[in-house]
Amino acid sequence: DIQMTQSPSTLSASVGDTVTITCRASRSISNWLAWYQQKPGKAPHLLIYKASSLESGVPSRFSGSVSGTEFTLTISSLQPDDFATYYCQHYDDYTWTFGQGTKVEI
Amino acid sequence: QVQLQESGPRLVKPAETLSLTCSVSGYSIKNGFYWGWIRQSPGQGLEWIGSMYHSGSSHYNASLKSRVTLSVDTSKNQFFLRLTSVTAADTAVYYCARDFSYAFDIWGQGTVVTVSS
Repeated sequence: DIQMTQSPSTLSASVGDTVTITCRASRSISNWLAWYQQKPGKAPHLLIYKASSLESGVPSRFSGSVSGTEFTLTISSLQPDDFATYYCQHYDDYTWTFGQGTKVEI
Repeated sequence: QVQLQESGPRLVKPAETLSLTCSVSGYSIKNGFYWGWIRQSPGQGLEWIGSMYHSGSSHYNASLKSRVTLSVDTSKNQFFLRLTSVTAADTAVYYCARDFSYAFDIWGQGTVVTVSS
């Protein structure tokens, strides 16, 4: 099975910062990688799909990229509404796998 | 717009079966897509439970496969989760969601299920 390692688990940042969150796969995988934002008591919200495609309605300060087995979510110019928990999720061979989550806090 | 809504018992006794329904509005399940269930234990991350194609073919998390069954009723535009032999470890918020390009683009609001006697 493919293992997805998401880091960091917690990230402290300030409004206006640029932050990056990483998911690393245990082996070479396809680009079926998504990123979600979740706020307390709410369902996750899709931000990025297929590694770098921005979901409709999501601000352009969110972007996704891939280099080898490392997938990255970048949030440029962090806004107050962006303080939340972020998850990556990968699909391979009829299995969907979530990363462990990254809490972005002030 | 497309909306999903989970429903079912909020309290299930240990060793019994958890059964949830996801009702879909604004889109016909039989037109396509995978439809999935995801759960989140208190204070924990997201765990994929299983996904089902509109035709009924299903795929499950290996760690839950022996206890999980997904099914669909296209006439009612609903799909279902059945989890047998539950324990306290199955206490969680359960979400249903639509899969678009192997990413879950539309989610229900979630339903809290507690396993307790």
